[in-house]
Amino acid sequence: EAQVTQNPRYLITVTGKKLTVTCSQNMNHEYMSWYRQDPGLGLRQIYYSMNVEVTDKGDVPEGYKVSRKEKRNFPLILESPSPNQTSLYFCASSPQGQGLVKQFFGPGTRLTVL
Amino acid sequence: QKEVEQNSGPLSVPEGAIASLNCTYSDRGSQSFFWYRQYSGKSPELIMSIYSNGDKEDGRFTAQLNKASQYVSLLIRDSQPSDSATYLCAVKPLRYSSASKIIFGSGTRLSIRP
Repeated sequence: EAQVTQNPRYLITVTGKKLTVTCSQNMNHEYMSWYRQDPGLGLRQIYYSMNVEVTDKGDVPEGYKVSRKEKRNFPLILESPSPNQTSLYFCASSPQGQGLVKQFFGPGTRLTVL
Repeated sequence: QKEVEQNSGPLSVPEGAIASLNCTYSDRGSQSFFWYRQYSGKSPELIMSIYSNGDKEDGRFTAQLNKASQYVSLLIRDSQPSDSATYLCAVKPLRYSSASKIIFGSGTRLSIRP
């Protein structure tokens, strides 16, 4: 089954404790992206990757890191989480040639930072 | 001014009626426009994309684009309770024409009452 998976789905952590949210897709998509979704603000892009070893900042990259060492994986790293990073996070992938005609979203990760 | 604006709702529509969702955008040169549906607690899924002025129909859904007035709308005919969801408008601004990046609105919550 073609899908985007994220782990964990739910996470409660404390300020300053490094964490990684994994994202994996099995559709051989070149493009992958991370978004956060907050009430009233919609989906905001954190980072995106056009292909392996190619990443770029989105609209709200502060406090986040990413890497793209393999085509299928695009982990999101919070080196020192803070309460303002409490949010719902989505990973998405898309075939590059389609210019984002269709993005496939993962199920989401609900993160709470205390 | 937000780049992509939507009325947050909730928009309440009786079953069987036409639901009309609107979205305005600020970048006059925007090229691509998308409507995503997001059920509560779920990830967004693409339901329509439109690139040129006019109407595009797909089943009960019609997307309408007016570039001169900088708005895009989604009509849902014969509304069903299963259409109750948040609808996200997304736009690819001109400045991102060479990049894989789209901007999402904050979404309109639609409720279909039996």
